[in-house]
Amino acid sequence: AQSVSQHNHHVILSEAASLELGCNYSYGGTVNLFWYVQYPGQHLQLLLKYFSGDPLVKGIKGFEAEFIKSKFSFNLRKPSVQWSDTAEYFCAVNADFGNEKLTFGTGTRLTIIP
Amino acid sequence: GAGVSQSPSNKVTEKGKDVELRCDPISGHTALYWYRQSLGQGLEFLIYFQGNSAPDKSGLPSDRFSAERTGGSVSTLTIQRTQQEDSAVYLCASSLGQVSYEQYFGPGTRLTVT
Repeated sequence: AQSVSQHNHHVILSEAASLELGCNYSYGGTVNLFWYVQYPGQHLQLLLKYFSGDPLVKGIKGFEAEFIKSKFSFNLRKPSVQWSDTAEYFCAVNADFGNEKLTFGTGTRLTIIP
Repeated sequence: GAGVSQSPSNKVTEKGKDVELRCDPISGHTALYWYRQSLGQGLEFLIYFQGNSAPDKSGLPSDRFSAERTGGSVSTLTIQRTQQEDSAVYLCASSLGQVSYEQYFGPGTRLTVT
């Protein structure tokens, strides 16, 4: 069974700092990868996803993620964070084609200090 | 249009009682998913439906948990003889039915077993 690791449990940054949140998965085959975000008091929503093609994917609100197959990683990045990026971020993987379930990491809480 | 709705938003129950949690997916979404979010545990997959059938029930923690979906729409997650470890936020999501389609999440039901 696949698993997803997010090693950063809580990250605190100042506004305008650069962000990188780690995500590693364990599965040797083809994967679909996702980052979801949960802003305070709001539902989970999709930030970006990777299925195939260019390993550098761009999502909403200036976020991007890079799929590095050799490292089983899908790290999330943003060059300059804003206070409004304060949220919890979840990496997820689907690695069982024909089965629609997502396996999520434990999440990273991001706090941006104004 | 309307998003995924869940009811109740909060449920406090005594240990040993049965509870029913309801999910109304987005109209036209054929796939429906249940997840559980516990403190520090991330999101744990429970079950997913394609139409009214459940191809994968592997995430249900015990036989006290069951779910059904009728008319390809509303789903109910039932927990019998609740235990304190069942306390969590239960999230429902729906999608157009393939993993490449975004899963839209509801606000969740916060279940507290006393």
